[in-house]
Formats: sequence, structure tokens, C-alpha cells
Amino acid sequence: GENVEQHPSTLSVQEGDSAVIKCTYSDSASNYFPWYKQELGKGPQLIIDIRSNVGEKKDQRIAVTLNKTAKHFSLHITETQPEDSAVYFCASTDSWGKLQFGAGTQVVVTP
Amino acid sequence: DSGVTQTPKHLITATGQRVTLRCSPRSGDLSVYWYQQSLDQGLQFLIQYYNGEERAKGNILERFSAQQFPDLHSELNLSSLELGDSALYFCASSPRLAGGPRDTQYFGPGTRLTVL
Repeated sequence: GENVEQHPSTLSVQEGDSAVIKCTYSDSASNYFPWYKQELGKGPQLIIDIRSNVGEKKDQRIAVTLNKTAKHFSLHITETQPEDSAVYFCASTDSWGKLQFGAGTQVVVTP
Repeated sequence: DSGVTQTPKHLITATGQRVTLRCSPRSGDLSVYWYQQSLDQGLQFLIQYYNGEERAKGNILERFSAQQFPDLHSELNLSSLELGDSALYFCASSPRLAGGPRDTQYFGPGTRLTVL
């Protein structure tokens, strides 16, 4: 089955700096790669996603890149703010829509 | 607010007991997914229903079962509870089955289950 690895497990950044989280996947049939942000006591919230026919997608301060050949995708957060502090999960889905999640990255943005 | 609702928010029960968790998907969504989130296992897919029918199974124990009703709400039944079943249980919904441009999953706020 699909296996998703996510790094780093924790990430501390100064406010205003950039944060990068990287994920790799194993199933070459995976075609959809969402990123979720989970704040304490809440459910995962979709922040951005990318499909396999696109190499990069940007939404304001958040961007995701996908390298299908290397089977890895990354989340980039620029100009980080304290409210970006949360756990971020990458995921990949097969053609049946089953999501396999990475282990999560705890991001801490210090003022 | 994702539009997915889950009840109850918190549930405390004893080992050996049975509980039912409830999920209402976003309006118009036909697919419902259940996930378990524990500290040592991360987010694990349990089961998926589409328009009332079971479509995919993940790491769901035999003590657990689910169903989706004609009004599309879903229930997850957990029986013979063990201490290790303590976790957050999330429901997610999506418009279609899978594989299309509208298969994004939206998560509910979760139910925190504590087994004592």
C-alpha cells in the first residue's frame, strides 16, 4: 500500500521567515496531494492541494510543489506569522480516494 | 467551519463498553470517511461509505463497524472497548466517490474518546 514519509517532525521558525515541509510517497499511481493544517483541539483543515498534472500551485503565502518523477512534494510557507503555528499533515490519495497521511510536522512560529 | 458535524465532542466510557459516534456530512456530499488519530499512530483511515454503501476499508478492527443512512449521515460503532481505543475519531466527507476534481475531503471537528 501507499506509504507517505514527512520531514521534519518539528520545525521552529522566526516570524517572517519561511518554512518548508517535505513529503515522499511510494505509490506511483497517486494523483492527488492535499495538505492539512490541524490546530489544537480541532479537525484537520485543508489549506492547499495539488493534482498530478500540475507541478506547482500557490495561494497567497502558501505554495506546494510536486515532483512526480522523484515522488516527492513540498509545502512552502513564506512570511510566517504566529497564527501559522500548528501541526501540518501531507497526504496522498490513490484513485479510490483513500488518503494516506504523513506523520505530521509541528510548526512553531516565534515572534 | 468545514460543514461536517460530529457528535458528541467528548465521550468517556469504561473498558468493555460500546459507543456510537455520529457524523453529518457537508450538504450534498455523498462520501463519508472515518479516521482514527492517536498519538502513536497518527491519522489512520478506517472506512469509507458512498451513498449508503461501504466502498473501502482501512485498518478497522473487527470490534468496530460503521454504516451510512439514507439521509447520508454516518455512525461509527465501537464495541468491547479497550484502553488502546482512546483516540480522536474524525469524520470527513467529499462530494463524490473518488478520483475526480471534486473529491477533496473536508474534516469534522472530531470526537475525543477516552476509555478508562
